[in-house]
Amino acid sequence: GDSVTQMEGPVTLSEEAFLTINCTYTATGYPSLFWYVQYPGEGLQLLLKATKADDKGSNKGFEATYRKETTSFHLEKGSVQVSDSAVYFCALLNNNDMRFGAGTRLTVKP
Amino acid sequence: KAGVTQTPRYLIKTRGQQVTLSCSPISGHRSVSWYQQTPGQGLQFLFEYFSETQRNKGNFPGRFSGRQFSNSRSEMNVSTLELGDSALYLCASSSQMGAYNEQFFGPGTRLTVL
Repeated sequence: GDSVTQMEGPVTLSEEAFLTINCTYTATGYPSLFWYVQYPGEGLQLLLKATKADDKGSNKGFEATYRKETTSFHLEKGSVQVSDSAVYFCALLNNNDMRFGAGTRLTVKP
Repeated sequence: KAGVTQTPRYLIKTRGQQVTLSCSPISGHRSVSWYQQTPGQGLQFLFEYFSETQRNKGNFPGRFSGRQFSNSRSEMNVSTLELGDSALYLCASSSQMGAYNEQFFGPGTRLTVL
């Protein structure tokens, strides 16, 4: 079946550092890909999405490009802030089946 | 517009007991989906309810069940609790059935089974 694999955390960065969280997927057909963010004590929020190959999703300085050739959807941000500390989930939607990665906890220190 | 609300936020039960969790969707949303979040398994889909009917189901045993009321509020029930059921249970609502890419999540109910 379909699956999503994220880099294991936790990830700890200093403020203004560059962030990459790797995400690869296995799926038949053409899934849509998502990144969700979960701040402490809150539910998941959709951060960005891409629905077809080579699409780039972006929001709040975060970006991810749908790479079908490498089956990847890595999350990047050029300069993280303390307020970006959260758990990030990569997910795919394929034929009404939603699958999430295990989540990567990011801590940004001032 | 109020967001998705879940009650209670925290719950402690013992093995063998049963538990009921509640979710109120965003006003006007008719679809409610439930997810289990654990450190080891990540986020796993339990089921989706739309118009008071279960429409989609994940790979969980029959101990996990749910229902939806005419006002779209949903409850999830877990019977004969096991230690491994300790998790954060999230619900999400959307305006249409199967619109998983347009879900809004609640803060979750953290269940601890002792």
